[in-house]
Amino acid sequence: SAVISQKPSRDICQRGTSLTIQCQVDSQVTMMFWYRQQPGQSLTLIATANQGSEATYESGFVIDKFPISRPNLTFSTLTVSNMSPEDSSIYLCSVGASAGASQPQHFGDGTRLSIL
Amino acid sequence: KQEVTQIPAALSVPEGENLVLNCSFTDSAIYNLQWFRQDPGKGLTSLLLIQSSQREQTSGRLNASLDKSSGRSTLYIAASQPGDSATYLCAVSDTGRRALTFGSGTRLQVQP
Repeated sequence: SAVISQKPSRDICQRGTSLTIQCQVDSQVTMMFWYRQQPGQSLTLIATANQGSEATYESGFVIDKFPISRPNLTFSTLTVSNMSPEDSSIYLCSVGASAGASQPQHFGDGTRLSIL
Repeated sequence: KQEVTQIPAALSVPEGENLVLNCSFTDSAIYNLQWFRQDPGKGLTSLLLIQSSQREQTSGRLNASLDKSSGRSTLYIAASQPGDSATYLCAVSDTGRRALTFGSGTRLQVQP
């Protein structure tokens, strides 16, 4: 199974600043996803990171707020821009199964973000 | 739009009990269904995956079933232990991008 590393694991940021979260996978994967988990909530998909093309965003999430890069098949970044306290969440990267329906989707340990 | 519901939201049982967690989804056109475990402050650990063509999967004391036509899945935990205490999340994968739609989770507490 893929090993996913996220950096940073946690951060405390000031209102109005931006933070870039990195996601590194130990193998080439086609699908990479970014999720948000707000306090006490379940996970919500932010966007699908596509290699070589623009990310696909879910309803309620926009590129200006959450720009995503996917420069190659093992790496992606998510930036949380102009942060406010409402952005305090855990942000998780995951990789989709490239070998069919029998392979599970795996997650990084997440980035715990607090905005003051 | 796919919606996933998990019942109960929280469950507290004494050690040794067998228990069932329920998951329902609104759109039966799924690629697969996964059950995850999340410990406080941690990421997600994949427990079981059921392909859309399968009825159940087993791993140790865990058994997950899938009834795609009725939009239901159950996670059965046998002989529960305090170490099973965690939040259990059900998620379904769509047939396109294969992104996951998550339920709100069941918070399980197993009392020693």
